[in-house]
Amino acid sequence: ETGVTQSPTHLIKTRGQQVTLRCSSQSGHNTVSWYQQALGQGPQFIFQYYREEENGRGNFPPRFSGLQFPNYSSELNVNALELDDSALYLCASGTGQETQYFGPGTRLLVL
Amino acid sequence: AQSVTQPDIHITVSEGASLELRCNYSYGATPYLFWYVQSPGQGLQLLLKYFSGDTLVQGIKGFEAEFKRSQSSFNLRKPSVHWSDAAEYFCAVATAFGNEKLTFGTGTRLTIIP
Repeated sequence: ETGVTQSPTHLIKTRGQQVTLRCSSQSGHNTVSWYQQALGQGPQFIFQYYREEENGRGNFPPRFSGLQFPNYSSELNVNALELDDSALYLCASGTGQETQYFGPGTRLLVL
Repeated sequence: AQSVTQPDIHITVSEGASLELRCNYSYGATPYLFWYVQSPGQGLQLLLKYFSGDTLVQGIKGFEAEFKRSQSSFNLRKPSVHWSDAAEYFCAVATAFGNEKLTFGTGTRLTIIP
């Protein structure tokens, strides 16, 4: 139990739609990172937020965006969904000092 | 840019046997190395981490890993596996202390046979 929760657990969308995934971090964790894990692959870093500001982005297009809120919750938004966006989306929170703690993920299927 | 290679996609081990999962990294400076485990339908759980100091690190569930700078490796070991160890194992690297932007390998799936 990491204290990081994500919702929903599963989601089905169609190509072109928009989706919002949510993450609730542990109290006191001021960083949140989002990762995309395609089937059979390792997680890939999407971006990180620190104190509500984006603090680094991986190789993902601008249609992937995020928000971090003062109450330790955060969102990942994906616009204009493509079939290749089908994946497990993981959020991870931390304090910027050592390790980060991962949530169980949201599995997104784009049809 | 840093990268992580896990050469073994799938490993099968008998229960009670020893285990070694390989991980090689590519990074120009001192890396910060992690091993995570992922059970089916679950998120990632940290097994152990190396930041500095003793190159043999102990983790949870009886796992250990050894950092070998000369070989750019950080292999995970366990002397005697249990059926509950069946899962996917990921090696990851961060480029700075406190840097939580992890680069992961593609994972090794571990199957345990009775």
